[in-house]
Amino acid sequence: DVKVTQSSRYLVKRTGEKVFLECVQDMDHENMFWYRQDPGLGLRLIYFSYDVKMKEKGDIPEGYSVSREKKERFSLILESASTNQTSMYLCASTPGGNTEAFFGQGTRLTVV
Amino acid sequence: GESVGLHLPTLSVQEGDNSIINCAYSNSASDYFIWYKQESGKGPQFIIDIRSNMDKRQGQRVTVLLNKTVKHLSLQIAATQPGDSAVYFCADRTSGTYKYIFGTGTRLKVLA
Repeated sequence: DVKVTQSSRYLVKRTGEKVFLECVQDMDHENMFWYRQDPGLGLRLIYFSYDVKMKEKGDIPEGYSVSREKKERFSLILESASTNQTSMYLCASTPGGNTEAFFGQGTRLTVV
Repeated sequence: GESVGLHLPTLSVQEGDNSIINCAYSNSASDYFIWYKQESGKGPQFIIDIRSNMDKRQGQRVTVLLNKTVKHLSLQIAATQPGDSAVYFCADRTSGTYKYIFGTGTRLKVLA
């Protein structure tokens, strides 16, 4: 089975901190994604990557950056966390083509 | 786990009845469609998918119907069980793009 693993289930950070959310997939997938999920808004795409060191902005990239140094790992970085970044963050991967996205279990981030 | 959708439409069904969850999409170029199930505190899980050259696809206890004319997708769950209680949302994608468009979801509550 495909496994997408996010490093933390719950995180609490202070305003202004630099925050790293890590995601690892074990199926050699080309594409990886970071979404945030908020009540009533569904999943919104922050960034995605279609290859090592390649990235593209999604719908809401402001305040975030990403890193993909290895194929299996895709990191989301909050340069200076703010309270409006309190959310559920979901990582996903796909092999490309018409296939479903495989999701991690999510990281519930609270910025205080 | 914390609720992922406090403002979602809710469908309540009796255990053993059939459930129908609906989804509208807006992109007429979309050619691949997925249904996901998300339990509280967890990441979304793939249920079933369908390509635009089909109008119906069946899985185990689930059926997806696609009406491209009105850009409508539905998920039918037969003999609904308590374990089916979750948030369900659809996603669509256009070939040649990386981006999945996710619906906001419907909460299914199964009444004993």
